[in-house]
Amino acid sequence: GDSVTQMEGPVTLSEEAFLTINCTYTATGYPSLFWYVQYPGEGLQLLLKATKADDKGSNKGFEATYRKETTSFHLEKGSVQVSDSAVYFCALQGGSEKLVFGKGTKLTVNP
Amino acid sequence: DGGITQSPKYLFRKEGQNVTLSCEQNLNHDAMYWYRQDPGQGLRLIYYSQIVNDFQKGDIAEGYSVSREKKESFPLTVTSAQKNPTAFYLCASSPRPSGEYNEQFFGPGTRLTVL
Repeated sequence: GDSVTQMEGPVTLSEEAFLTINCTYTATGYPSLFWYVQYPGEGLQLLLKATKADDKGSNKGFEATYRKETTSFHLEKGSVQVSDSAVYFCALQGGSEKLVFGKGTKLTVNP
Repeated sequence: DGGITQSPKYLFRKEGQNVTLSCEQNLNHDAMYWYRQDPGQGLRLIYYSQIVNDFQKGDIAEGYSVSREKKESFPLTVTSAQKNPTAFYLCASSPRPSGEYNEQFFGPGTRLTVL
């Protein structure tokens, strides 16, 4: 079945550092891909999405490119802030209406 | 404001008791979902509903039950049959039940602790 694998955390960075969180997927067909963010004690918020190969999703300085050839959707940000500290989830929607989530990567950004 | 509300935010119950978690949305979304979140395991789908009076089991439905009598409401009951109910429960909704990309909107969650 469909699955998502994302890098295990936790990830700890200093403010203004470059961020990459790796995400790869296994799916039949051409899934839509998502990054969600969860701040402490809250629900998930959609951060960005891409619905077809080579699409780039972007929001709040975060970017991810849908790479069909490597089945990847890595999350990047050029300069992280303390306020970016959260848990990040990669997810896909394949042939069904259900979302399949990765296990999440906790990011801590220190001042 | 449109959104999804879950209540209560924290819930404590004794072992062996059933407990019902509330989820309400005023987004006019057709589909609603319940997830369970445990540390290090991401989100796992418990039940989902694409339309009023219809729902399907997700990946971990055992020990849980739901109802969908109104479009805006999708309560989840954690029964005494659920072996390890302590977790963070998230409700979500989506405007498109199937066939298109599925952007889900999440509520703030309910943390259930069974003593």
